[in-house]
Amino acid sequence: VQLVESGGGLVQPGKSLKLSCSASGFTFSSYGMHWIRQAPGKGLDWVAYISSSSGTVYADAVKGRFTISRDNAKNTLYLQLNSLKSEDTAIYYCARGTTGAYWGQGTLVTVSS
Amino acid sequence: DIQMTQSPSVLSASVGDRVTLNCKASQNINKYLNWYQQKLGEAPKLLIYNTNNLQTGIPSRFSGSGSGTDYTLTISSLQPEDVATYFCFQHNSWPDTFGAGTKLELK
Repeated sequence: VQLVESGGGLVQPGKSLKLSCSASGFTFSSYGMHWIRQAPGKGLDWVAYISSSSGTVYADAVKGRFTISRDNAKNTLYLQLNSLKSEDTAIYYCARGTTGAYWGQGTLVTVSS
Repeated sequence: DIQMTQSPSVLSASVGDRVTLNCKASQNINKYLNWYQQKLGEAPKLLIYNTNNLQTGIPSRFSGSGSGTDYTLTISSLQPEDVATYFCFQHNSWPDTFGAGTKLELK
């Protein structure tokens, strides 16, 4: 099982960014997937979940600004980040399944002017 | 939202000690409680899922217990490589939530 996040970087407040999580080593379409973030030096913060049938759930802090989606043909999970704020600065991890048994290494998003 | 409270926030122990980390939920989470270990600079790793199920490849010195609102992670004999921060995570009801973590140090 391998999960590789990409798409992070430095972005100004109010701008947008799209993160990707490329999955391999398992049947991607059969699993729900999480996005979880970690601000520098802080704890873990659950962001969003998408089920295998593409039902979605969001944390209140990102609802209406972030969108989780998946492309099963490409074995890829996405997170669209809009209206970014400085408090969204974090490492963003994707994780597999309701138990979060496997995690990627994360991609750093820095929101700063 | 369900609040997860971990205690202590920092724990110092010696090699070979039996170590107990605690996690308390603000309401019943029906044993849908996972424990993760995060070493410095690394992604979190799943240790225990659904209260007491050891993830494949995790040493048997790690164990979990609990029910209702109170859960425990126990390391039966602390090893140097266990120095890390440990997070509990409830997935009983949305939104899923993490505890703030317990930092485990060597004395």
